[in-house]
Amino acid sequence: DIQMTQSPSSVSASVGDTVTITCRASQGISVWLAWYQQKPGKAPKLLIQTSSRLQSGVPTRFSGSGAGTDFTLTIDSLQPEDFATYYCHQTNIFPYTFGQGTRVEIK
Amino acid sequence: EVQLLESGGGLVQPGGSLRLSCVASGFTFDDYAISWVRQAPGKGLEWVSTVSGSGGTTYHADSVKGRFTISRDTSKNTVYLQMNRLRVDDTAVYYCSKSIRSAGGCYDFWGQGTLVAVSS
Repeated sequence: DIQMTQSPSSVSASVGDTVTITCRASQGISVWLAWYQQKPGKAPKLLIQTSSRLQSGVPTRFSGSGAGTDFTLTIDSLQPEDFATYYCHQTNIFPYTFGQGTRVEIK
Repeated sequence: EVQLLESGGGLVQPGGSLRLSCVASGFTFDDYAISWVRQAPGKGLEWVSTVSGSGGTTYHADSVKGRFTISRDTSKNTVYLQMNRLRVDDTAVYYCSKSIRSAGGCYDFWGQGTLVAVSS
């Protein structure tokens, strides 16, 4: 199985900051990497698919990059509604696997 | 508007069974794979099972293989997850999710989740 390792596991940031979350796959997954945002008590929301394609309706302050084994989610100018947990997700091969999550907290 | 509505969760004893249902609307049902993803209390997301758009291909996580079965009924726009021989560590919120393609891929829509609690 492909292991997905996210870092950091949590980050404290202020409104207006730039936050970067990384995700590393244990083997190459091309660009088959998605990012989700989850708020407490809610279902995850797809932000980015195929490493860098922004989902319709998602603010452009979110961006993704990477290919192969190393990927990045960047949130520019953090907004109050962005405080949440973020997960990466590989869909290159079954079993699909998620990263362990990164919690973005208010500093 | 795409909607996924899960039902069937509840409290069950270890070794028991439950069948979850996911009723889909707002898209061409046969064109997309549907998956179940679970989240144990306070934990991360775990993929459980996927059925292809045609229903001809299914995948299950090793942790549920041989105990859970995913299926779909096109006439009812519904995906099922039959869960047998439930264990305490199956306790989680179970989400139904729609993939972006018939064969799989990431999930662009999710249901609200249904809670499965396995306890004696």
